[in-house]
Amino acid sequence: ETGVTQSPTHLIKTRGQQVTLRCSSQSGHNTVSWYQQALGQGPQFIFQYYREEENGRGNFPPRFSGLQFPNYSSELNVNALELDDSALYLCASSADRYSQETQYFGPGTRLLVL
Amino acid sequence: AQTVTQSQPEMSVQEAETVTLSCTYDTSESDYYLFWYKQPPSRQMILVIRQEAYKQQNATENRFSVNFQKAAKSFSLKISDSQLGDAAMYFCAYSLLNQAGTALIFGKGTTLSVSS
Repeated sequence: ETGVTQSPTHLIKTRGQQVTLRCSSQSGHNTVSWYQQALGQGPQFIFQYYREEENGRGNFPPRFSGLQFPNYSSELNVNALELDDSALYLCASSADRYSQETQYFGPGTRLLVL
Repeated sequence: AQTVTQSQPEMSVQEAETVTLSCTYDTSESDYYLFWYKQPPSRQMILVIRQEAYKQQNATENRFSVNFQKAAKSFSLKISDSQLGDAAMYFCAYSLLNQAGTALIFGKGTTLSVSS
């Protein structure tokens, strides 16, 4: 059974640029959630995708967008990067979209915005 | 709004000893789930233990157990026989029951160091 993988592991961008982060969900999982974890903080929910549709969203602006593909892998896109977007971005997959389903996390992508 | 509070930014324990990490939460719901996740320096968040709010019996997973006090909205994690590999950031998290598209709500975490 393959776990959740994310790419790239690290990324450096400058303010105003756009970035795409990728996530491959665990085998058999149809739901992907994305979280932003600032340094020294707990993860904050960005959004969730279930069967290729956005299924719920946290308090993040529209410049944070996503996609989920037929194989349930997912992308997080951030436009017009700001310095405060510097964080660890975590992807988590689960077997269903309901909140009690255990979420399995990837190792994250560390994004630095200069 | 639901919130999760971890009042201990850092804790330390000696190998083979027992340590308890505290967590309180605020919710008006009666059915929900609580989790403890571990995030080692490798960054991969790993589920340690979960508790369904409707179950009175405290969850146990090997050396890890919880003390769930629903009325007090308290959910502490006890680690027995601590090992060097237990050193990590520990996050308490909350989720609603049977709600699609909702998030895990995390506390700010407790950094646990283990010394030999």
